[in-house]
Amino acid sequence: AAGVIQSPRHLIKEKRETATLKCYPIPRHDTVYWYQQGPGQDPQFLISFYEKMQSDKGSIPDRFSAQQFSDYHSELNMSSLELGDSALYFCASSFGTAISEAFFGQGTRLTVV
Amino acid sequence: DQQVKQNSPSLSVQEGRISILNCDYTNSMFDYFLWYKKYPAEGPTFLISISSIKDKNEDGRFTVFLNKSAKHLSLHIVPSQPGDSAVYFCAATDRGSTLGRLYFGRGTQLTVWP
Repeated sequence: AAGVIQSPRHLIKEKRETATLKCYPIPRHDTVYWYQQGPGQDPQFLISFYEKMQSDKGSIPDRFSAQQFSDYHSELNMSSLELGDSALYFCASSFGTAISEAFFGQGTRLTVV
Repeated sequence: DQQVKQNSPSLSVQEGRISILNCDYTNSMFDYFLWYKKYPAEGPTFLISISSIKDKNEDGRFTVFLNKSAKHLSLHIVPSQPGDSAVYFCAATDRGSTLGRLYFGRGTQLTVWP
């Protein structure tokens, strides 16, 4: 069965550079969630989209932006990268807002050097 | 402010015995709780959940217990198997408010040894 696809799996960037993370939800899923997990930290909610509209916003820095496109895939854009942005970024998708049915991608490991 | 806490970062259990993973929460508005399992280099996978209207939910070797008055839940795995070795995340949500925000604990690394 198709799962949530995240790309790239690994990304290395220098400070002050920009990065774009992509998330392709399970087919027919219309809701996407982004989470950030720093080293030794719990996953922190960043932002979510439902039907291409932002539905909820968590601890997402102003340097980050995200959107959901007409095909329901989502992109997380990160600018002016800082060392502290190094983390595992997870995307999850669900049909509707049933978070209990959300499925996670494998994550993108971002390393800022 | 961490609303979901897993105070044991690691747990080591012998194969065949019971594994008990604990989780505490602070937000009384949480009404749905989930356990996720995560292997290295993979995303979290849903394991089992429980609604606040229940105090127990069982699925095969996995049972989740909820004590609302203590704001505590636990995941029991019996019998434990080496393939259960993974990081287990407890998560909670208030289904009545935001659209699907999950609050996670920091995870417990379970190691099941033969």
